[in-house]
Amino acid sequence: DAEITQSPRHKITETGRQVTLACHQTWNHNNMFWYRQDLGHGLRLIHYSYGVQDTNKGEVSDGYSVSRSNTEDLPLTLESAASSQTSVYFCASSEYGQGYEQFFGPGTRLTVL
Amino acid sequence: DQQVKQNSPSLSVQEGRISILNCDYTNSMFDYFLWYKKYPAEGPTFLISISSIKDKNEDGRFTVFLNKSAKHLSLHIVPSQPGDSAVYFCAASPNLNTDKLIFGTGTRLQVFP
Repeated sequence: DAEITQSPRHKITETGRQVTLACHQTWNHNNMFWYRQDLGHGLRLIHYSYGVQDTNKGEVSDGYSVSRSNTEDLPLTLESAASSQTSVYFCASSEYGQGYEQFFGPGTRLTVL
Repeated sequence: DQQVKQNSPSLSVQEGRISILNCDYTNSMFDYFLWYKKYPAEGPTFLISISSIKDKNEDGRFTVFLNKSAKHLSLHIVPSQPGDSAVYFCAASPNLNTDKLIFGTGTRLQVFP
């Protein structure tokens, strides 16, 4: 069965460290998205990609970067982790075209001390 | 500025009764809407959607209503079951030129026996 996976599921790091969160999907979807979930804010879009070599900034992109070298993976990098980036991170993918539902991964809980 | 709003952070309903979750949006250009359900420690899963050319869509116990003039949509669950206890997010697709979704802040539904 097709799926979308995230690793690690839990991560504790220190302020200033670089962190990379992995996202891998086997749906063969063109679109991939990264969100963070925080209490009182719902799901906010960090970065997204509509295909290989395509990346775009979302509404809360500062301090984050992504790269898309193949269809299956969209890793999210925190260049220099800050305590404000403590959150739960979700990766999602969808078919290309408006109206297609997004399929979400199980999430990564990141704590920055 | 929150473009998709869920003003009730929580809702408690007795098993067998109707649950009504509400969502308001600010941009009249939004033309596709989705509801997602999220259990603890899992990613959101798609529940039901509606296009702006419709005012109602049903899927089993779940019905979504759209009132474009009021920029309001609601999710009705009838009858409510304990397994429906989760956080519900509404989401909107801004326009035909993007596959992004804008999510609300979520409503936690608790269905008690």
